[in-house]
Amino acid sequence: EDKVVQSPLSLVVHEGDTVTLNCSYEVTNFRSLLWYKQEKKAPTFLFMLTSSGIEKKSGRLSSILDKKELFSILNITATQTGDSAVYLCAVGDSNYQLIWGAGTKLIIKP
Amino acid sequence: DSGVTQTPKHLITATGQRVTLRCSPRSGDLSVYWYQQSLDQGLQFLIQYYNGEERAKGNILERFSAQQFPDLHSELNLSSLELGDSALYFCASSALETSGNYEQYFGPGTRLTVT
Repeated sequence: EDKVVQSPLSLVVHEGDTVTLNCSYEVTNFRSLLWYKQEKKAPTFLFMLTSSGIEKKSGRLSSILDKKELFSILNITATQTGDSAVYLCAVGDSNYQLIWGAGTKLIIKP
Repeated sequence: DSGVTQTPKHLITATGQRVTLRCSPRSGDLSVYWYQQSLDQGLQFLIQYYNGEERAKGNILERFSAQQFPDLHSELNLSSLELGDSALYFCASSALETSGNYEQYFGPGTRLTVT
């Protein structure tokens, strides 16, 4: 059965710290990996990754995919309280479906 | 604003009742997905429609059903409601089959409270 596993489930850090969130997957027909941020509302899209080793970057957030080891990481540098959210990882398969991880709840303390 | 609209924003109803949640996808998107998110839980995929046809089913209860209409809006029907059905229900749309882009765009959600 296809699955996406995120770790840690929750993380508490102080403002200014750097965090690394992990997403590993076992999906038979992998096509892409997506990261979303969810605050107290709908998930919002961050990145889509399809190729190994190519970093995607947006401000203080960056992400990279390793298709050989079947994982991705999401890095956030110089964290701010506004980064507090649940970060969701999802993998797209050949049936046009997204398989979702349970999310990592990130809390940034001032 | 993702371009996906959902109504109503909030719904409070009693056990045993039936409700209908409505979703309008982004202009041009043919796929609609429904998700359930209970308190502090992850997204649970319920069902997907593509251009009016059911494409995939997830963990959708038999008491729940959905459809997508010719104008591409979709409705999720929840019947014989139980307390455990209280959750946030999201609709998302995508243009995956036409664009190859897996990004799903989420509506603001409908918060259902069953009392």
